[in-house]
Amino acid sequence: SQELEQSPQSLIVQEGKNLTINCTSSKTLYGLYWYKQKYGEGLIFLMMLQKGGEEKSHEKITAKLDEKKQQSSLHITASQPSHAGMYLCGADIVQQTRTGGFKTIFGAGTRLFVKA
Amino acid sequence: GAGVSQSPSNKVTEKGKDVELRCDPISGHTALYWYRQSLGQGLEFLIYFQGNSAPDKSGLPSDRFSAERTGGSVSTLTIQRTQQEDSAVYLCASSLGVVAPQETQYFGPGTRLLVL
Repeated sequence: SQELEQSPQSLIVQEGKNLTINCTSSKTLYGLYWYKQKYGEGLIFLMMLQKGGEEKSHEKITAKLDEKKQQSSLHITASQPSHAGMYLCGADIVQQTRTGGFKTIFGAGTRLFVKA
Repeated sequence: GAGVSQSPSNKVTEKGKDVELRCDPISGHTALYWYRQSLGQGLEFLIYFQGNSAPDKSGLPSDRFSAERTGGSVSTLTIQRTQQEDSAVYLCASSLGVVAPQETQYFGPGTRLLVL
């Protein structure tokens, strides 16, 4: 299983509907990142969350990191066809090695389709 | 099926040394990309290969960075005279190459580079 679980794997929504994508770990997440890959374009960086309870918005997309810093949700309000694409979460976690330090891990991605 | 693989998974080196990072793309994918993620920052595009065309090197941060792709498959990213600011996760991705770079990219697990 992955260290960073992203759900759902794919999602089909009607235009105008709200939706939520989740990114969950059993470990504390330091630096949680959300990316998007639009169909027809490359990967783009959306936002980064660092503090427990932090919430940020980018146009109609809102992301929040929970207080325990183990889960982040990405919420899209009134979805549009332009929101279609793949959403990818990434995070820094503490390495379980003698030397410690951080490592960056990624979820498997969520493919979003928006029906007009 | 086999995904994108990268080696080594972790690399610790001393400042001033050269390092080589390897990427094996998904079989049949003609497009290959290198990205870098430094702690606390988003993904940074480095270089892009498409078939036999000249690579897009526009993202390479300095002339200490270079990349090759032999036989249209395996790629090697070389960093000469490493500096501490080169410490990051280096990610490789590949895609079919039909409409690259405007298509879904599949990421490898990354190589974590630490320059002491």
